[in-house]
Amino acid sequence: AQSVTQLGSHVSVSEGALVLLRCNYSSSVPPYLFWYVQYPNQGLQLLLKYTSAATLVKGINDFEAEFKKSETSFHLTKPSAHMSDAAEYFCAVSSTGFQKLVFGTGTRLLVSP
Amino acid sequence: EAGVTQSPTHLIKTRGQQVTLRCSPISGHTSVYWYQQALGLGLQFLLWYDEGEERNRGNFPPRFSGRQFPNYSSELNVNALELEDSALYLCASSRTGTSGGPGLNEQFFGPGTRLTVL
Repeated sequence: AQSVTQLGSHVSVSEGALVLLRCNYSSSVPPYLFWYVQYPNQGLQLLLKYTSAATLVKGINDFEAEFKKSETSFHLTKPSAHMSDAAEYFCAVSSTGFQKLVFGTGTRLLVSP
Repeated sequence: EAGVTQSPTHLIKTRGQQVTLRCSPISGHTSVYWYQQALGLGLQFLLWYDEGEERNRGNFPPRFSGRQFPNYSSELNVNALELEDSALYLCASSRTGTSGGPGLNEQFFGPGTRLTVL
């Protein structure tokens, strides 16, 4: 069975500071990994995805994530936080042949001026 | 290109009632997925439909059911509503889901239907 653990239900940063949202996965097969963002009262939007190509994945809005097999991690980073980044972020895992995404419980990012 | 649409946006029901939620996928997408986002439980996979057939099902009781129509739109039905069914129900769509890895079949999400059960 696959699972995702997101460390920290809430992360607070100041505007301009580094954003680091943690995600660890468990999978018996090589995983596909995703980060989604959910703004208030909206659906989920894909930020980036890892599909076994480059281990450093760049996404939209200057977000990126690095797949580290040895650490079973796929942490999301952004060099400089903007107020507009305040949202809930979900890490998800999926495996070949299965279409269901297994989501983590989410991390709410708070950005203060 | 229009995104995934869901209706209604909000719904209030009482225990024991039945509800139907609707989803229209992006044009050209044949797969539709349903997720439940309940408070404190995160996002949980409910159902996956592709080409009119149920392909996979999450760990939910049989009173959660659905179908996909020839135009690839989908309905999610929940019978005998319980208080814990209160949640945001998200629909997503992707291109054909039965070939290629999921990395090739990005899921695009709709805005959701918020169901409140009193």
